[in-house]
Amino acid sequence: GNSVTQMEGPVTLSEEAFLTINCTYTATGYPSLFWYVQYPGEGLQLLLKATKADDKGSNKGFEATYRKETTSFHLEKGSVQVSDSAVYFCAPFAGTYKYIFGTGTRLKVLA
Amino acid sequence: DAGITQSPRHKVTETGTPVTLRCHQTENHRYMYWYRQDPGHGLRLIHYSYGVKDTDKGEVSDGYSVSRSKTEDFLLTLESATSSQTSVYFCAISEGQEQETQYFGPGTRLLVL
Repeated sequence: GNSVTQMEGPVTLSEEAFLTINCTYTATGYPSLFWYVQYPGEGLQLLLKATKADDKGSNKGFEATYRKETTSFHLEKGSVQVSDSAVYFCAPFAGTYKYIFGTGTRLKVLA
Repeated sequence: DAGITQSPRHKVTETGTPVTLRCHQTENHRYMYWYRQDPGHGLRLIHYSYGVKDTDKGEVSDGYSVSRSKTEDFLLTLESATSSQTSVYFCAISEGQEQETQYFGPGTRLLVL
């Protein structure tokens, strides 16, 4: 069946450190892939997405590349800020109406 | 920001009582969703709607019902709340059904005692 695996958190980094959050998935066909972010006390909001193999989504300094061969969509940022502290969700689109949300990875960035 | 509001934002209730959560949108989007968020589970889809009076079940629909009598409102009802329904509930909307970005409301935190 469809599923997504995210690295366990929490991830704690110092400001300006490099960030990688791993995401691998299983899904039928070639779904669009999404990363959502949830700031404290808020709902989820789209961070970036990629719709086909080798596409790179990017936003706010975050990037993720659609790797069909490894069914992965790892999130990266070269230099994190305290304001990036949030929970990040990988979410492949799994068919009509259906997103498969990962369990979320909490990121804490220390000044 | 997408115009999505949820009410109430916080609620404490007792086991066995009915509870209704409301989602209201000003975007005129056709598709609306209810999710619950629990530690270790991410977000799980409860019910969704693809138009007025058109709804269907998600993966965790037992114990929940929904109604959509107007495009802008999507109601989630717990007919008889149980402690296992203590959760944070999120409403979401999307313009289309295929590979579309979903926009989320701020959430309702429900505690069932």
